[in-house]
Amino acid sequence: SQQGEEDPQALSIQEGENATMNCSYKTSINNLQWYRQNSGRGLVHLILIRSNEREKHSGRLRVTLDTSKKSSSLLITASRAADTASYFCATDPGDSSYKLIFGSGTRLLVRP
Amino acid sequence: SAVISQKPSRDICQRGTSLTIQCQVDSQVTMMFWYRQQPGQSLTLIATANQGSEATYESGFVIDKFPISRPNLTFSTLTVSNMSPEDSSIYLCSVLLAGIYNEQFFGPGTRLTVL
Repeated sequence: SQQGEEDPQALSIQEGENATMNCSYKTSINNLQWYRQNSGRGLVHLILIRSNEREKHSGRLRVTLDTSKKSSSLLITASRAADTASYFCATDPGDSSYKLIFGSGTRLLVRP
Repeated sequence: SAVISQKPSRDICQRGTSLTIQCQVDSQVTMMFWYRQQPGQSLTLIATANQGSEATYESGFVIDKFPISRPNLTFSTLTVSNMSPEDSSIYLCSVLLAGIYNEQFFGPGTRLTVL
C-alpha cells in the first residue's frame, strides 16, 4: 500500500517562482528519494536524503527531512517551464528489501 | 547510471488475452522490480524479480496474474495475464545497480490499454 502522502496534489506557478512540495510518510525509513516523471513516462531520480540528514541541495533543488514529523519537502527555485512534471517522494524502509514506497505525487505546472 | 529498455513501449490489447513485457538493462544489476502505475495514480510495487527463483510478490498481486521471470542479471519479463480493462496502466521496471544500493533506475515504462 502507498505510504506517502504528498501535498499539494497539484501546483500551478509562474516561471521564475519557487515551487514547494511536501511529503509525509508513516514508518521509519533508511532514506527518502524524490523522482520526477514527465508525461506518464519513466521516472528520473532527482535526489536522495538519508535518515540522518536534515537538508540536501542539488542545483536548483533543496530537500529537507524531518524524521520526527515523518515529513520531507522539495523546493525547486527559479522554476522553468521545463520543470512541468509530476514529482513523487519514495521511501526506503531500510528492511534490506530495497523496495520503494511511493507517495501520491504532486503535479507541477510552470506557466511560461 | 544504466540504460534500461522496455518492450513494448505501448500496446492495446483485448480483454482475456495476455501480454509479456520485457525489461533489459545494459549493466549488471543486483535487484529488479516491477511497478504498476494506474491512470493518474502513483506507483505501486508488484514484485521483486529474483534471479533464478520465484519472484517475491507484494500484497494484492499474485503469480497467476503477473508471472515474472528473471533468467539472468540483466533481463526480466512481466506477463499480465487474462487482462481486463482494470489492468490498463503503465508498467515500469526498475533496477538497483551493483554497488549502488540506494538509487533505483527506472525504465521508460510500457503503457497498456485493455479494451
